Amino acid sequence: EPEVTQTPSHQVTQMGQEVILRCVPISNHLYFYWYRQILGQKVEFLVSFYNNEISEKSEIFDDQFSVERPDGSNFTLKIRSTKLEDSAMYFCASSVESGRITGELFFGEGSRLTVL
Amino acid sequence: DQQVKQNSPSLSVQEGRISILNCDYTNSMFDYFLWYKKYPAEGPTFLISISSIKDKNEDGRFTVFLNKSAKHLSLHIVPSQPGDSAVYFCAATLKSGSEKLVFGKGTKLTVNP
Repeated sequence: EPEVTQTPSHQVTQMGQEVILRCVPISNHLYFYWYRQILGQKVEFLVSFYNNEISEKSEIFDDQFSVERPDGSNFTLKIRSTKLEDSAMYFCASSVESGRITGELFFGEGSRLTVL
Repeated sequence: DQQVKQNSPSLSVQEGRISILNCDYTNSMFDYFLWYKKYPAEGPTFLISISSIKDKNEDGRFTVFLNKSAKHLSLHIVPSQPGDSAVYFCAATLKSGSEKLVFGKGTKLTVNP
């Protein structure tokens, strides 16, 4: 069964360093998302991406964050200068239809980011 | 900002019995409601959904009920199986056409053999 894959599974970084989290969405999917879950908190929406551009972003997704689809398969989340509060599990997701229609997203296993 | 609330952080039931997971919401602009299941070290997996124009949706052992007047939905699992042990997230989408899913904090279900 096709699945969303994410790398790395766990990354430890120093505050102020740049981090890139990578995702390979399911191949025929058109909509891509990043969500995050701080330990003990809700899963929170960060950004959605369609047709090679951001379609929606949350207030969390400030100038320190960026997303890119550099080729036909990868979807990356970059955090330019990490802060302690960026420590979280970051989930990539993809879907065939827009999430606004049914909300049925396929999530990856997550990348745990620890900022020291 | 807790638009979707799951007030029970955990629930324990016996195998074969019914599991009832509850979710309350505050935003009347929600359009679709969904339940996701999450095992440790895995991402959330879509389980079942219901449109705001319906009050019940059934899929095998899983049934979701929506009470719009009470802004409440529930997920029933009958019969519960040990493999159902996971964290269950309630989520919702907005009528405004927003892409984002709004999640609750989750309820950890343990089904005891």
